Amino acid sequence: DAEITQSPRHKITETGRQVTLACHQTWNHNNMFWYRQDLGHGLRLIHYSYGVQDTNKGEVSDGYSVSRSNTEDLPLTLESAASSQTSVYFCASSEGTAYNEQFFGPGTRLTVL
Amino acid sequence: LAKTTQPISMDSYEGQEVNITCSHNNIATNDYITWYQQFPSQGPRFIIQGYKTKVTNEVASLFIPADRKSSTLSLPRVSLSDTAVYYCLVGEHMIKAAGNKLTFGGGTRVLVKP
Repeated sequence: DAEITQSPRHKITETGRQVTLACHQTWNHNNMFWYRQDLGHGLRLIHYSYGVQDTNKGEVSDGYSVSRSNTEDLPLTLESAASSQTSVYFCASSEGTAYNEQFFGPGTRLTVL
Repeated sequence: LAKTTQPISMDSYEGQEVNITCSHNNIATNDYITWYQQFPSQGPRFIIQGYKTKVTNEVASLFIPADRKSSTLSLPRVSLSDTAVYYCLVGEHMIKAAGNKLTFGGGTRVLVKP
């Protein structure tokens, strides 16, 4: 069955380190998204991509970057982790040009000490 | 972007119908209304989407009045497993026009009691 996976599921890192969170989907969806979820804030969009080589900034993109070299993967990189980036990160994908349902991964819980 | 307002929390009992209303007074002509469900420690899951009147699927119904300034998600005969957070999203239907404007608000925490 097609799916969307995230790795690692849990990560503890130190302030200033570079961290990359992986997202892989097997639906062949063009659209992929990264969100972060913090208590009291719902989900906030970090970056998104409509296809290979396309990336766009979301609402809270400072300190994060993404690259899209193939359809299946959209890794999220924290260039220099900060304690404010402690959060749960969700990756999602969707198909088509209309806002169709997004399929979410299981999430990565990141702690920055 | 149409700002949405939902109740923070709601309690219900097994077997009852749960109705969650979302207010979106400045909804735009091209905006659609989408609802997601999120269980603890999981990513959100799409429930239903609509533009006007009523939409029904195997999980829920979505009622949208003519002025579209609000919408109501209806969950029939809830069970304990329906305990979750429910998010209402309002935004441009064409995804590239929506851009970075699609955001999840705080959602409504629904607790189903035995």
